[in-house]
Amino acid sequence: DGGITQSPKYLFRKEGQNVTLSCEQNLNHDAMYWYRQDPGQGLRLIYYSQIVNDFQKGDIAEGYSVSREKKESFPLTVTSAQKNPTAFYLCASSIRGAGGIGQFFGPGTRLTVL
Amino acid sequence: DQQVKQNSPSLSVQEGRISILNCDYTNSMFDYFLWYKKYPAEGPTFLISISSIKDKNEDGRFTVFLNKSAKHLSLHIVPSQPGDSAVYFCAAIKGQKLVFGQGTRLTINP
Repeated sequence: DGGITQSPKYLFRKEGQNVTLSCEQNLNHDAMYWYRQDPGQGLRLIYYSQIVNDFQKGDIAEGYSVSREKKESFPLTVTSAQKNPTAFYLCASSIRGAGGIGQFFGPGTRLTVL
Repeated sequence: DQQVKQNSPSLSVQEGRISILNCDYTNSMFDYFLWYKKYPAEGPTFLISISSIKDKNEDGRFTVFLNKSAKHLSLHIVPSQPGDSAVYFCAAIKGQKLVFGQGTRLTINP
């Protein structure tokens, strides 16, 4: 059945290391999104992609990078330049043009940087 | 610059009573609002939405009210059930992006 998968559910890394979070969807959605959730704050948009080989910065893109080589996949790399990387990361997807209306979320990855 | 605000971090309600979650926004250009429900360590799931041209939308136990002059929306859940205990986020659509509030943790007490 269709959905969005994020792996792993929990991830631990040492400070100064880059880490890549996986997001895969089989919903045939064109658009994909990455959000970050911190305690007491709403979800904040990191990057989004409306179509393969194209992506745009969200509100908090600094210290992150993405790629969109395949429609199904939108990996997020948390680089060592990200000052506060410990957070809950959520991936979402939607039909192109649906924007916020039709966003479906994955289960999330909790990243802890030690 | 918090464009969507949920000023109550938590709310406790007796089972069977009404739960009212509130949300304020500052940008009058938002044209669609949504409510999401989120359990711990899971992604948010869509609950209900409302267009800015309407003032009420109802779906079963869930009703969303929009007051454009006050830039305020609310989610009513009635009757509240134990399974409603979760964090609720309101969100507004800005172009192709969602802008989220901080969330309100709702606890339904038996």
